[in-house]
Amino acid sequence: KAGVTQTPRYLIKTRGQQVTLSCSPISGHRSVSWYQQTPGQGLQFLFEYFSETQRNKGNFPGRFSGRQFSNSRSEMNVSTLELGDSALYLCASSTQGGSTEAFFGQGTRLTVV
Amino acid sequence: QQQVKQSPQSLIVQKGGISIINCAYENTAFDYFPWYQQFPGKGPALLIAIRPDVSEKKEGRFTISFNKSAKQFSLHIMDSQPGDSATYFCAASRGTSYDKVIFGPGTSLSVIP
Repeated sequence: KAGVTQTPRYLIKTRGQQVTLSCSPISGHRSVSWYQQTPGQGLQFLFEYFSETQRNKGNFPGRFSGRQFSNSRSEMNVSTLELGDSALYLCASSTQGGSTEAFFGQGTRLTVV
Repeated sequence: QQQVKQSPQSLIVQKGGISIINCAYENTAFDYFPWYQQFPGKGPALLIAIRPDVSEKKEGRFTISFNKSAKQFSLHIMDSQPGDSATYFCAASRGTSYDKVIFGPGTSLSVIP
């Protein structure tokens, strides 16, 4: 069974640009959650999608958005990039979200210069 | 009330020793407590998880101890090995709803030969 696939693995963007990250969950998983990981803040929840609907949202500005497609693949978009957006962005998939096992991808390392 | 506290922030253990990481939560509605292990450059991977109907769960060298009345749970790594050196995250979620998983801030474990 293929794992969670995130693309691209690495990105370098300039301040002010926008970026789109992609996550393909494990087959059959309908929940996709996104996290931002930084050395100082740990794993911070961005949002969760389930069956194409955003079900939960963390405390991030509106520059961070996402969507989920009918095949459960998800994308995350960050507009007007700031230096502080440099982080490892992780997505996790699970069958139902909440208390079902979550499987993480390897993440996308975003560097904003 | 949604926080999960974790200690210590970092831990150095000699090979063969016992590593102990502690977590505490406030929300008594949490009913799923997973531990994740993360190696540098990788996404977190589910290590072991427990539900509050049991006080202990063991898988190989890894044991979760759960104290429902104290709202605390801990990870014990027996016979710690250099290959266990990683960052460990405890987490909690509610199974009765599909709320997001709340992660602790992480513990960096170094096992020295």
